[in-house]
Amino acid sequence: AQSVAQPEDQVNVAEGNPLTVKCTYSVSGNPYLFWYVQYPNRGLQFLLKYITGDNLVKGSYGFEAEFNKSQTSFHLKKPSALVSDSALYFCAVRDPNTGRRALTFGSGTRLQVQP
Amino acid sequence: KAGVTQTPRYLIKTRGQQVTLSCSPISGHRSVSWYQQTPGQGLQFLFEYFSETQRNKGNFPGRFSGRQFSNSRSEMNVSTLELGDSALYLCASTGQTGRETQYFGPGTRLLVL
Repeated sequence: AQSVAQPEDQVNVAEGNPLTVKCTYSVSGNPYLFWYVQYPNRGLQFLLKYITGDNLVKGSYGFEAEFNKSQTSFHLKKPSALVSDSALYFCAVRDPNTGRRALTFGSGTRLQVQP
Repeated sequence: KAGVTQTPRYLIKTRGQQVTLSCSPISGHRSVSWYQQTPGQGLQFLFEYFSETQRNKGNFPGRFSGRQFSNSRSEMNVSTLELGDSALYLCASTGQTGRETQYFGPGTRLLVL
């Protein structure tokens, strides 16, 4: 069975500082990995994904993530945080070998960027 | 392209009633998935439809059902509502290649009283 862990319920960072939101996964084969962001009373907004290829993936709004197979991690990063980045972030995994499109999500990490 | 749309956005029902939620995918997308989001359980997969066929189902009771129409629009139905069914129900659509991203709608917030 596939699973995702987001070990931090909340991450606090000052505006202008770099941010990291952690994600580790467990899947039997090579994973498809995703990051989504959710603003209050909104659906999930896609940020970036790793399917194959370069381990460093660049996404929307200056976010990037690094796929690390040996550590089974897919941490989300941004060089300089903005107050507007404050939101709930979800990491998700899909095992393409199962033929299922269902995503398994982590519990979410609330990012708070202080001015 | 227009995004995924869901109707209604908000809904209040009482226990024992049933409810139907609707989802219109991105034009050209034939796969629709549904998820339930609650503070306690987080985001959980309900089911996936592709070309009017249910391909996968999550671990939910039979009170939760869905269908997909020939235009790829999808509905989910919850019968005999329970208080614990209060949640944000999210619909996502995906293109055909299998690698593509799931794009989510704004959700329907259901409150069961």
